[in-house]
Amino acid sequence: AQTVTQSQPEMSVQEAETVTLSCTYDTSESDYYLFWYKQPPSRQMILVIRQEAYKQQNATENRFSVNFQKAAKSFSLKISDSQLGDAAMYFCAYRDGRADGLTFGKGTHLIIQP
Amino acid sequence: DTGVSQDPRHKITKRGQNVTFRCDPISEHNRLYWYRQTLGQGPEFLTYFQNEAQLEKSRLLSDRFSAERPKGSFSTLEIQRTEQGDSAMYLCASSLWAGGFYNEQFFGPGTRLTVL
Repeated sequence: AQTVTQSQPEMSVQEAETVTLSCTYDTSESDYYLFWYKQPPSRQMILVIRQEAYKQQNATENRFSVNFQKAAKSFSLKISDSQLGDAAMYFCAYRDGRADGLTFGKGTHLIIQP
Repeated sequence: DTGVSQDPRHKITKRGQNVTFRCDPISEHNRLYWYRQTLGQGPEFLTYFQNEAQLEKSRLLSDRFSAERPKGSFSTLEIQRTEQGDSAMYLCASSLWAGGFYNEQFFGPGTRLTVL
């Protein structure tokens, strides 16, 4: 079965600095997608960024970028110029072609210190 | 608001009672998903529909859990004979699948269930 591991239960960063959240996964599939979702307190989950496994180029979305290392099965999220609104739970998620459901990690609680 | 909506937002029930949650997807979305999120964990996939067809239900946690999407629009998730271990946030998501591999899932706010 596919598994997603987030080893950092909590991370703290100063406003305007850069933080990297870690994620590793286990799969025997060659085609899959990886995602980072953000879940603010008492608000719904939203997609931050996605990466297709067949693409070598790392995805970027404004201040958010990923470091996708397929051989190492690693998928980290870098947030540059951290803002107070970035404070949330961040979940790494995986999906392959066998089923449409997402497999999530346990999440990392990101704290932004002003 | 054109996002995914869920009702109720909070439900408190006594052990042994049945509960039903409703999810209304984004109007043009043909796929609908249910997840459970317990405290300190990421969401856990339960089941999903394409229109009215339930394409995956092996991940439902037990035979006390069932889901329907009778007309391919809204969906209901029912838990029979609730147990304290069923206390969790139940999330619904929807997506527009047009063939191919990728279709972004949009999540609702969730229904928080507390079983006393």
